[in-house]
Amino acid sequence: AQSVSQHNHHVILSEAASLELGCNYSYGGTVNLFWYVQYPGQHLQLLLKYFSGDPLVKGIKGFEAEFIKSKFSFNLRKPSVQWSDTAEYFCAVNTGGGNKLTFGTGTQLKVEL
Amino acid sequence: DGGITQSPKYLFRKEGQNVTLSCEQNLNHDAMYWYRQDPGQGLRLIYYSQIVNDFQKGDIAEGYSVSREKKESFPLTVTSAQKNPTAFYLCASTYSGNTEAFFGQGTRLTVV
Repeated sequence: AQSVSQHNHHVILSEAASLELGCNYSYGGTVNLFWYVQYPGQHLQLLLKYFSGDPLVKGIKGFEAEFIKSKFSFNLRKPSVQWSDTAEYFCAVNTGGGNKLTFGTGTQLKVEL
Repeated sequence: DGGITQSPKYLFRKEGQNVTLSCEQNLNHDAMYWYRQDPGQGLRLIYYSQIVNDFQKGDIAEGYSVSREKKESFPLTVTSAQKNPTAFYLCASTYSGNTEAFFGQGTRLTVV
């Protein structure tokens, strides 16, 4: 069965610090990978996605993620965070054929001024 | 406007009663999903459906049931067999496996 692990549950950073959130999945076949963000009181929204091609994908608001197939990882990065990035971040995987969309446990990011 | 509508936003029920949460989408999406969101546990998949009249159990299906009689609708019933039903429930849909999932605003169920 597929699963998604997010290692950092709570992260606190100062503005302008760099961010990297870990995500590992367990599934041996073709996968589609996603990062979603949930700002306080708002719906989940898509940050970026990977399903083929260049393993380095860029999303909205300066976020990017790198798919490393050998490590089953899809880590999220941002060079310089802002206070407005305070939110909960979820990694998700959808298996290529089965359409089962599984989320990780989420990472609460707090950015301090 | 296209989107997913969940109703009601808040729901209170007495212990031992079944309750059905509504989810409707007008995005013409084939796949629909039900998740439960609890603090520190992320979104856990309850059931999902890839096409009409077909659905599969997710990771925490015990105590829940669903139906998919129409493409637009995917109601979730929380039965009295669910031991800890108080939670925030999210419905989502996707067009295909590599496209963005769209979410409803959620239903907060409280069982007293």
